[in-house]
Amino acid sequence: QKEVEQNSGPLSVPEGAIASLNCTYSDRVSQSFFWYRQYSGKSPELIMSIYSNGDKEDGRFTAQLNKASQYVSLLIRDSQPSDSATYLCAVNTPYAGGTSYGKLTFGQGTILTVHP
Amino acid sequence: DGGITQSPKYLFRKEGQNVTLSCEQNLNHDAMYWYRQDPGQGLRLIYYSQIVNDFQKGDIAEGYSVSREKKESFPLTVTSAQKNPTAFYLCASSKPRGQGNTEAFFGQGTRLTVV
Repeated sequence: QKEVEQNSGPLSVPEGAIASLNCTYSDRVSQSFFWYRQYSGKSPELIMSIYSNGDKEDGRFTAQLNKASQYVSLLIRDSQPSDSATYLCAVNTPYAGGTSYGKLTFGQGTILTVHP
Repeated sequence: DGGITQSPKYLFRKEGQNVTLSCEQNLNHDAMYWYRQDPGQGLRLIYYSQIVNDFQKGDIAEGYSVSREKKESFPLTVTSAQKNPTAFYLCASSKPRGQGNTEAFFGQGTRLTVV
């Protein structure tokens, strides 16, 4: 089982719709969860972080975390063509030694296309 | 300006050569990471370091080496033992959780091509 898995995509939504991106992780002791956006040929850009169960909203983006189900999602409301990119889920897991520092592991990414 | 600087942006390597990719940060971050990205793929962890003079292997460390002699610097050497080094290499850094959060930020990447 992969440590971090994302829905394979690609995902295509019309402009103005809600895009839903999903991610599951295997290590129950994972502490921190992130969503990055990556445009073609560029480096990833952090768009959301979430540390506790529930929802976190930032503008058109909402991250949702359910630690019991080991599931994190990203909703993009009012999707725009400029949102077309690859979205990467990342999970920060403590070492076996139990320190607060962690290993940051990424999923394989989901390609999102927003069409006019 | 605070940030993470990777150099060079593009690098060409002949087969059998070692090359070193530079990563420097002035964000006062303790943790630093190296990832490899192949076309259409996610990021795979090569090495990571939590603190000066300490680093751990990631998922694909074979054929790579690192050092962490200074907090600001985490260079990656791609050795001749790495059989398929052509890829996009990304360096990232983050603060440890006890200092606020663990959000990681990336440099602009180095695109390595074997010729």
